[in-house]
Amino acid sequence: SQKIEQNSEALNIQEGKTATLTCNYTNYSPAYLQWYRQDPGRGPVFLLLIRENEKEKRKERLKVTFDTTLKQSLFHITASQPADSATYLCALGVSGGYQKVTFGIGTKLQVIP
Amino acid sequence: DADVTQTPRNRITKTGKRIMLECSQTKGHDRMYWYRQDPGLGLRLIYYSFDVKDINKGEISDGYSVSRQAQAKFSLSLESAIPNQTALYFCATSDQNRPDTQYFGPGTRLTVL
Repeated sequence: SQKIEQNSEALNIQEGKTATLTCNYTNYSPAYLQWYRQDPGRGPVFLLLIRENEKEKRKERLKVTFDTTLKQSLFHITASQPADSATYLCALGVSGGYQKVTFGIGTKLQVIP
Repeated sequence: DADVTQTPRNRITKTGKRIMLECSQTKGHDRMYWYRQDPGLGLRLIYYSFDVKDINKGEISDGYSVSRQAQAKFSLSLESAIPNQTALYFCATSDQNRPDTQYFGPGTRLTVL
């Protein structure tokens, strides 16, 4: 069956370091992969999208890689700040009339000052 | 995202009651979605609508119904609420020209006793 795995354990990291979050998937052939940020009591906020034919995408301090052979995406936050503390959701999209998006459960990141 | 609003933000109801959650958007998007989020399960799609006359079931539509009153409004109803419908509910929108990016509302926390 299709499965998206994100580390359910919280990730604690020191301020200024690079945070790396992992999203693994099985039995999917995604057309694209997205990362969202979710703060407590708030809805997810779109951050980045990377397509199947792209290896890497950057936006300011964020970097996403997408390896369709390993079936894995890595999400990096460089020079992390306490304000980056949140839950980060990985989502896979499949092309079609309705571009079905399936979300992972998210990884909670805590940046320690 | 203030462009997508949900009412109420919190609701406590009893088993068997009918309840409606409302979503409004000012983004001018044609596509709207309803998700529920449960701990350890991630976001799951309940219903989605591509326009006022196009409504489709998602992966967990049983026990729910929807109404697209206008392009900007999409309501979710629980016909006869049950305790396992206790969850965080999110409305989302996307534009047909960029369907892969969804914009979420702030969520409604629903508790069914």
